[in-house]
This record gives sequence, C-alpha cells and structure tokens, in this order.
Amino acid sequence: KQEVTQIPAALSVPEGENLVLNCSFTDSAIYNLQWFRQDPGKGLTSLLLIQSSQREQTSGRLNASLDKSSGRSTLYIAASQPGDSATYLCAAYFKAAGNKLTFGGGTRVLVKP
Amino acid sequence: GAVVSQHPSRVICKSGTSVKIECRSLDFQATTMFWYRQFPKQSLMLMATSNEGSKATYEQGVEKDKFLINHASLTLSTLTVTSAHPEDSSFYICSAFPGGSYRAGGNQPQHFGDGTRLSIL
Repeated sequence: KQEVTQIPAALSVPEGENLVLNCSFTDSAIYNLQWFRQDPGKGLTSLLLIQSSQREQTSGRLNASLDKSSGRSTLYIAASQPGDSATYLCAAYFKAAGNKLTFGGGTRVLVKP
Repeated sequence: GAVVSQHPSRVICKSGTSVKIECRSLDFQATTMFWYRQFPKQSLMLMATSNEGSKATYEQGVEKDKFLINHASLTLSTLTVTSAHPEDSSFYICSAFPGGSYRAGGNQPQHFGDGTRLSIL
C-alpha cells in the first residue's frame, strides 16, 4: 500500500533557526513529490515539486531533497521567520496509484519570535 | 500564476439541506479537477476526480449519491452535498491541473482552492 508519513506532527523553533521537515514514503516508484504549505482554515499553496529524476529543488529560503532509494524527502527552511508558521504537507504521486496525490499527515510548525 | 477560486468559503446550514460548492479555474482550463475532504488536524483525503464532460471517479467509500459532482465546463466543477447531516461537516478543498488531460508525472503542480468550511447543525 502506498503511504506517506510525516514525523513529527508538530514542531516549535525559535525565530532564526533552520527548519528541517521530514517526509517518508513507502514505494519508491513515484512520478514526483510535492511540498505544500497550509495556513489555518485555508487551502494549499504549492511550495516545491521534485520530479522522480531530480535530487533537489530550491526556491528562496526553501530547499527540498529527494532520495527515492530510502523513500525520504526533506524540506529545509533557512533562517525561519514567524511568518513561516503553518502546516507543511508533502504528497507523492505513486505510479501504482495513477493520477492521485497521496498526502502525509502534515507537520504543524510554530516559529516563535 | 494559476488561480483556483472556491466558493463559498464557509457554509452553515441545517441538517437535511443540500449544499453546492463551486471550484473555478480562473486563468486556465482544467480538464481534470479533484475534490478533497479534510477533518480537523488531519490530512487531505481524495474524494473524487472530476472529469470535464464525463462522470466523476469516486474513491472507495465515498457515496456518489451523497456527493454529486458536475464538471460541465473546462473551468468549473461543482460538488453538491445532498441532504447534509452533521457528520458531513468538514473542510472541502478542490484542486485543478493546468493544461489538457491530466497525466501524473508532469512538471506542473496541482493548484488548490482556499477550501470551504461546511458546518451542518
């Protein structure tokens, strides 16, 4: 069964510290993996998309890595700010699941000023 | 960038009422749209895949007669929760994929609406 797991479920860091968010997936046969941000009561904002052939993607302070062999992706957020407080979701397109995105449970991040 | 508009953002209604939620792609055409449901502090669960001009594909366990999906144009999909009950209270989110027929593995991300908070009294 294709599953995505995010641990921890919640994380609190002081402002300025680097954030490291983990995502693991059970099947390495993926098309791509996406990271999203969700603010309370809001929809999802796409942050980064990593194709299965790629090792990482970067956008500003965000960097996401992908290691298919170990079934892991990591989202790094440099020099965290209070505005980075949100829930971060990763989602994978498993080849066996067709066109469906499978989401992890998310990590709720609180950046304390 | 690609924008998906979802309306209404919040609905509060009595048990037994039917509620329609709209999902529009504002600046692109979307042959395929997706409907998700999210319970508090939980992740998104795919309910159905909405295909323009054809019947929606529902996930296992989702009642198609309860959650009616219509995708009548390339920019609009609607989800109607029929005869809603308190257990249907949830956060419903739609997403759309820019371009033609959706293919997994493309380099285009899905774009999500802001969600609809449905509360059934």
